[in-house]
Amino acid sequence: EIVLTQSPGTLSLSQGERATLSCRASQSVSSNDLAWYQQKPGQAPRLLIYGASSRATGIPDRFSGSGSGTDFTLTISRLEPGDVAIYYCQQYGSSLLTFGGGTKVEIK
Amino acid sequence: QIQLVQSGGEVKQPGASVKVACKASGYTFIDYGISWVRQAPGQGLEWMGWISSYNGNRNSAQRLHGRFTMTTDTSTNTAYMELNSLRSDDTAMYYCARDHSSGSRAYYFDYWGQGSLVTVSS
Repeated sequence: EIVLTQSPGTLSLSQGERATLSCRASQSVSSNDLAWYQQKPGQAPRLLIYGASSRATGIPDRFSGSGSGTDFTLTISRLEPGDVAIYYCQQYGSSLLTFGGGTKVEIK
Repeated sequence: QIQLVQSGGEVKQPGASVKVACKASGYTFIDYGISWVRQAPGQGLEWMGWISSYNGNRNSAQRLHGRFTMTTDTSTNTAYMELNSLRSDDTAMYYCARDHSSGSRAYYFDYWGQGSLVTVSS
C-alpha cells in the first residue's frame, strides 16, 4: 500500500498570499496518478486536480498541481476566504487507492 | 446535471449490518465506476472500494475484506454498499463517488454523493 504524507498539517496565511501544500508518497506513484481534493466543513470533497497537474472542470486557475514520482505539490496562488478548507491528496497509481491525511488551510 | 443521491443516515447496533444506496443520474451509468469512501468524525478520508458499473469488476481495501460488499443495479442506476459485523469504529460518513475509471481499476472521483451517516452504538 502506498502511504501518502501531507505537510504541513495546518497552513495559516493571509488573504492574497501563496499557499504551497506538499504530498509525499512512500513509493513512486505510477504515471503521476495523483489527485487533489478540497473539503469544506459539512460538505463532500470536491475534485481539484487529477493526473498531478490537470485542473478539473470549473476549477479556477489559482489552483495548480505539480510534481512527479514521490513528491507532489498543490499551489493556491492567491488565497481567498473561500479557500478555507482541508485539502487531501489521493493516489490511484496502484489498485489499492490511498488518501493523505490532509492539510488544513486557514486565513490569518 | 450529474447527481449522486444517497440513502439516509442509519443507527445500528454493534454486530449488525448496514446497506447504503447511491442513485446516479445525469450520465450514462455504465460508463463510469463507483467508489465508496468513508470519513470517521473529525478524521480524514478512507477509500473503501470500487466497482465497475460496466462489468462488475471490483476491488476493496484489504482491512475491510470479508465484511464489505459492493453491488450495482444497472436497471435503476443505483450502487449499493453493505458493511457487516459493524463495530463502533465503523461510525462514519459514507460517501459514494463517481469514479473516472475504466473497467479494470479505480481512478479518481469527479462527483460525490451527499454522504450517509452511519452510527454504530449500543
